[in-house]
Amino acid sequence: DTGVSQDPRHKITKRGQNVTFRCDPISEHNRLYWYRQTLGQGPEFLTYFQNEAQLEKSRLLSDRFSAERPKGSFSTLEIQRTEQGDSAMYLCASSLGGPTDTQYFGPGTRLTVL
Amino acid sequence: KNQVEQSPQSLIILEGKNCTLQCNYTVSPFSNLRWYKQDTGRGPVSLTIMTFSENTKSNGRYTATLDADTKQSSLHITASQLSDSASYICVVSRDDYKLSFGAGTTVTVRA
Repeated sequence: DTGVSQDPRHKITKRGQNVTFRCDPISEHNRLYWYRQTLGQGPEFLTYFQNEAQLEKSRLLSDRFSAERPKGSFSTLEIQRTEQGDSAMYLCASSLGGPTDTQYFGPGTRLTVL
Repeated sequence: KNQVEQSPQSLIILEGKNCTLQCNYTVSPFSNLRWYKQDTGRGPVSLTIMTFSENTKSNGRYTATLDADTKQSSLHITASQLSDSASYICVVSRDDYKLSFGAGTTVTVRA
């Protein structure tokens, strides 16, 4: 257990539905990241927060995706009008920052879109 | 094209044997290189981190090497155990927070 928690661990939804995932980072970490991982691939960067500010969004993050970190603590990732191609593991990570910054990953949320 | 390439894609070894995983990268500028272990259905966990000036780092039975000139790294697993069965991901960091992930090498240790 790295100290980063994600909820839910698994989500099955029908195409077109909206889903929301939550990430609780390690409490003193000011950086929070979202990644997407498909089978047999490494994680792909989606977005990054420094405290409550969303500093970067990947081009992978279409208009259907939105992430928030309202108080600089937990974060949510919402996917609207889900598509089958959204099926993946969504990973959250947090870190303190610095030259040899280590990101600590949560267990992930496995999304299956039927 | 992925800037971090790992080989082999997968391997099977017998318990107690050693193995070596390879990572080649083109990421620039280079800040540090990490190896992560990812168990099935779990998030990645950091094993080692090496900066430009370091060429070897150990964590128990895991030993990572780095040749920053040739942009190559390896992860050596000594006396493998069943619990070593996992995906091992090479991750290269630039000067900022951006990480470039390899696709991973899936290691299966058999009794």
